[in-house]
Amino acid sequence: GAVVSQHPSRVICKSGTSVKIECRSLDFQATTMFWYRQFPKQSLMLMATSNEGSKATYEQGVEKDKFLINHASLTLSTLTVTSAHPEDSSFYICSARDIMFYGYTFGSGTRLTVV
Amino acid sequence: TQLLEQSPQFLSIQEGENLTVYCNSSSVFSSLQWYRQEPGEGPVLLVTVVTGGEVKKLKRLTFQFGDARKDSSLHITAAQPGDTGLYLCAGLRDNTDKLIFGTGTRLQVFP
Repeated sequence: GAVVSQHPSRVICKSGTSVKIECRSLDFQATTMFWYRQFPKQSLMLMATSNEGSKATYEQGVEKDKFLINHASLTLSTLTVTSAHPEDSSFYICSARDIMFYGYTFGSGTRLTVV
Repeated sequence: TQLLEQSPQFLSIQEGENLTVYCNSSSVFSSLQWYRQEPGEGPVLLVTVVTGGEVKKLKRLTFQFGDARKDSSLHITAAQPGDTGLYLCAGLRDNTDKLIFGTGTRLQVFP
């Protein structure tokens, strides 16, 4: 089945630094990838939609300068949290949509802690 | 405003009991998916329903899509401790590929 690899699974960074999270589709091509944020004991909130070769589309209330998304190839999207602050601490999950089939496959998530 | 409201929010039951989780919206969805998520992991797809009134069964799990494609339910028969987790419905609106998640139902099944 389709597999999405997300790295790192866990990261701790200092306030003011930037953190990059990678999302790779391992055995399929994904023209569209999605980035979600999940707070403890809550559901997933869509942050942005990432399309290969074009600018990401951000949901209302999501700062595009804070959360930089790059989708440089059909198998890789990255989310960079810039100038991280403790309130950015969260569980970030990516999802990729297979261009051949209808399914959405999710990564295993990245737990970001900003200290 | 959350497009998809799930109820109940929390459910704690004994092994062997039956339960139903509801996913409701005032919006119409072209399809609806159910996921289960374990702590520290991404959600895993259980089922996709597309047709209004559709019923799908996956072992002890029964999924139903409302006739008007605005709501869905998940029924678990004879729950087991292994069913413990966060259950999420997620819908696709027409003319969009954004998957919007429901508010979630946290299920705990005690042996």
